[in-house]
Amino acid sequence: RKEVEQDPGPFNVPEGATVAFNCTYSNSASQSFFWYRQDCRKEPKLLMSVYSSGNEDGRFTAQLNRASQYISLLIRDSKLSDSATYLCVVNVGNYGGSQGNLIFGKGTKLSVKP
Amino acid sequence: EPEVTQTPSHQVTQMGQEVILRCVPISNHLYFYWYRQILGQKVEFLVSFYNNEISEKSEIFDDQFSVERPDGSNFTLKIRSTKLEDSAMYFCASSPTVNNSPLHFGNGTRLTVT
Repeated sequence: RKEVEQDPGPFNVPEGATVAFNCTYSNSASQSFFWYRQDCRKEPKLLMSVYSSGNEDGRFTAQLNRASQYISLLIRDSKLSDSATYLCVVNVGNYGGSQGNLIFGKGTKLSVKP
Repeated sequence: EPEVTQTPSHQVTQMGQEVILRCVPISNHLYFYWYRQILGQKVEFLVSFYNNEISEKSEIFDDQFSVERPDGSNFTLKIRSTKLEDSAMYFCASSPTVNNSPLHFGNGTRLTVT
């Protein structure tokens, strides 16, 4: 049973396009949610946290639907530099206060073309 | 911006040998983690460490693995007797707190077991 599930892509879009990624998670006890990006053979880097009310950071908008256990990321006006793998990440926050046990999705690959 | 640093960037070892992967977390962070990513697979949690002891570990983190904070700056992952399937990218991460604070990842050590 996959804990965090994402469409692997690849999503091939032209510069300037709007693209949306979705993610579902299986553990209803999940407490915090993030989108990370990962460039090829590099470390994951935090893109943004995802809050229940939805949140925006420049061209990026994240949404969370706890009832459906669904998270989304919208990228507007995509740039060549947005090309990367986008990782949906969930924190269950169990055991003795440690909340560093992040559950990663396998990622959605985005390729932005000129 | 302070960074998590890892050494070496690439380690090649023979099956059955011991390896030690080294990490220097961000200096004012209190929580430390190891994750791994097998090529083409998702990032997987191994272990979290706080106050000089393991606070949580995954099923992957069996008796072959150990972690240590030998001094005030280093955080190490030891694999006692490497197996072929230990070949992966190993990421160290740190965070200042556990309350939904995002993790800062190092740039990883690529371990190749031959």
